[in-house]
Amino acid sequence: AQSVTQLGSHVSVSEGALVLLRCNYSSSVPPYLFWYVQYPNQGLQLLLKYTSAATLVKGINGFEAEFKKSETSFHLTKPSAHMSDAAEYFCAVSPRGGDKIIFGKGTRLHILP
Amino acid sequence: GAGVSQTPSNKVTEKGKYVELRCDPISGHTALYWYRQSLGQGPEFLIYFQGTGAADDSGLPNDRFFAVRPEGSVSTLKIQRTERGDSAVYLCASSAGTSGKDEQFFGPGTRLTVL
Repeated sequence: AQSVTQLGSHVSVSEGALVLLRCNYSSSVPPYLFWYVQYPNQGLQLLLKYTSAATLVKGINGFEAEFKKSETSFHLTKPSAHMSDAAEYFCAVSPRGGDKIIFGKGTRLHILP
Repeated sequence: GAGVSQTPSNKVTEKGKYVELRCDPISGHTALYWYRQSLGQGPEFLIYFQGTGAADDSGLPNDRFFAVRPEGSVSTLKIQRTERGDSAVYLCASSAGTSGKDEQFFGPGTRLTVL
């Protein structure tokens, strides 16, 4: 069965510092991978997705993620954190040609002034 | 260009009661999904529809949970004999297709509290 593991339920970074949120997936074949963001009292919003094209995927709000098959990882990064980035971030996986999305448990990102 | 809407936004009920949660997908989206998000957890898949039929209901936890989409648009998630453990945010999403590439657009959710 496919799954994702997010390392760290809470991550704190200073404003202007690098953001790195870690995600590892488990799958017998490279799946489709996603990062979603959930701002307080708002719905889930897609940040970016990997669908077997370029391994470095750029998303909204300056975020990007790199698919590394050898490490079964899909870590999310942003060069410079902004206060508005404070939110819950979910890594997710979907089987190739599949439908349902399997989410990780989430990482809450805190931005320190 | 309305997004996915869900009603009610909040529902408080008593243990043992029956509840219905409604989802209005984005117009023209053929696929509709229900997820459940418990406190401190990621969303958990419940069921998905392609058109009017349930294509995958493997995530429904037990037979107290049922969902319908009679006209291929609006969907209703029905929970019978609610239990305190059913308390969660129920999310609905829709997509234009069912390829893993198709983006699922999420609604704001219905927060269900079972007392």
